[in-house]
Amino acid sequence: NAGVTQTPKFQVLKTGQSMTLQCAQDMNHNSMYWYRQDPGMGLRLIYYSASEGTTDKGEVPNGYNVSRLNKREFSLRLESAAPSQTSVYFCASSELAGISGYTFGSGTRLTVV
Amino acid sequence: DQQVKQNSPSLSVQEGRISILNCDYTNSMFDYFLWYKKYPAEGPTFLISISSIKDKNEDGRFTVFLNKSAKHLSLHIVPSQPGDSAVYFCAASEGAGNMLTFGGGTRLMVKP
Repeated sequence: NAGVTQTPKFQVLKTGQSMTLQCAQDMNHNSMYWYRQDPGMGLRLIYYSASEGTTDKGEVPNGYNVSRLNKREFSLRLESAAPSQTSVYFCASSELAGISGYTFGSGTRLTVV
Repeated sequence: DQQVKQNSPSLSVQEGRISILNCDYTNSMFDYFLWYKKYPAEGPTFLISISSIKDKNEDGRFTVFLNKSAKHLSLHIVPSQPGDSAVYFCAASEGAGNMLTFGGGTRLMVKP
């Protein structure tokens, strides 16, 4: 099915461990995004990539790094996980976001203990 | 400062009645507005949008109204159904190709 695929769906990490969240889209979109959603809060932008080869910080970038590997793939890395990074992470992609919006993946539920 | 605000964190309505979800924005440069619906354990899905050249857009049971002078938009769901129970996010952008700014979400509960 066309869309945005995120892996893994669930992950439990110990404090200090590292991991990479993977995201791939098959809609030939130029722009890709990483958001986190915490209980009772909205979607907060971590990083985005307006086009292949570019990345920029969003609202809450501390503790994260990203890589736009190619047009399809945009990964999010936690170098040293902290309990404050326990959250649900969503990847999204878009082309003309104001008209057709973002297409979101189904999310990665991350718990850091 | 939040540029897009949804001041009601939750809303409860009876099945068959109208649901009205509200959203306010402060950035007068926003000219595209969207609503998303999110079920638990799923990603948000696009619901309906409107551009600033219009003041109303309908899609089946869903209608979005835009009041530019008040910097306010609303989503009307008529009639509401239990399957509409979800979190609804409004979002806005400056220009068709630019990124979206999201509100904090409103949890809608439709009671049978």
